[in-house]
Amino acid sequence: KAGVTQTPRYLIKTRGQQVTLSCSPISGHRSVSWYQQTPGQGLQFLFEYFSETQRNKGNFPGRFSGRQFSNSRSEMNVSTLELGDSALYLCASSDRGDYGYTFGSGTRLTVV
Amino acid sequence: DQQVKQNSPSLSVQEGRISILNCDYTNSMFDYFLWYKKYPAEGPTFLISISSIKDKNEDGRFTVFLNKSAKHLSLHIVPSQPGDSAVYFCAASARRGAQKLVFGQGTRLTINP
Repeated sequence: KAGVTQTPRYLIKTRGQQVTLSCSPISGHRSVSWYQQTPGQGLQFLFEYFSETQRNKGNFPGRFSGRQFSNSRSEMNVSTLELGDSALYLCASSDRGDYGYTFGSGTRLTVV
Repeated sequence: DQQVKQNSPSLSVQEGRISILNCDYTNSMFDYFLWYKKYPAEGPTFLISISSIKDKNEDGRFTVFLNKSAKHLSLHIVPSQPGDSAVYFCAASARRGAQKLVFGQGTRLTINP
């Protein structure tokens, strides 16, 4: 079956702009989580959605938000971009019972 | 506050030998631990996990050991193969099935022919 698909793969934005990233989970998976990976901070949990509801949130400012649609696809939005938001944003999906959940290849966001 | 630490940023091992990657944690609430492998430009791939009720879990060439009293876990790869060259992340969670994972900083493993 198809894996987790994240679009776009690469993105360049200017400080102050906003950006929306998309994630399509594995078919049948209802849980979607987002992580930010940076060289300095490693992989950090952003939030998790399950059946269109945010179930868990990491320690990120309110500029970071997300949502999940009825087909389990998820988007995350970052408003008022800062240089420090440059990172690889990873999405992962699971069927909630399976712990080894599957990551997508990520979206590389560069803020200039 | 780094709750999960991988103190070795890099490790170099001869092909065919054992690779041992280490991970320490500070939060005693963690009771489920996972190892992920990551190649450049790809997302992390799940390797193996262990629950706190066990002290060892094996899957082929990969074995994870957990020492709860020391809050330490390790991943053993035997024998090491060139394709094992990647960054390895240790992750922890407060309960099985919880989607919030706390990751270590990663260890870059290089297998030399």
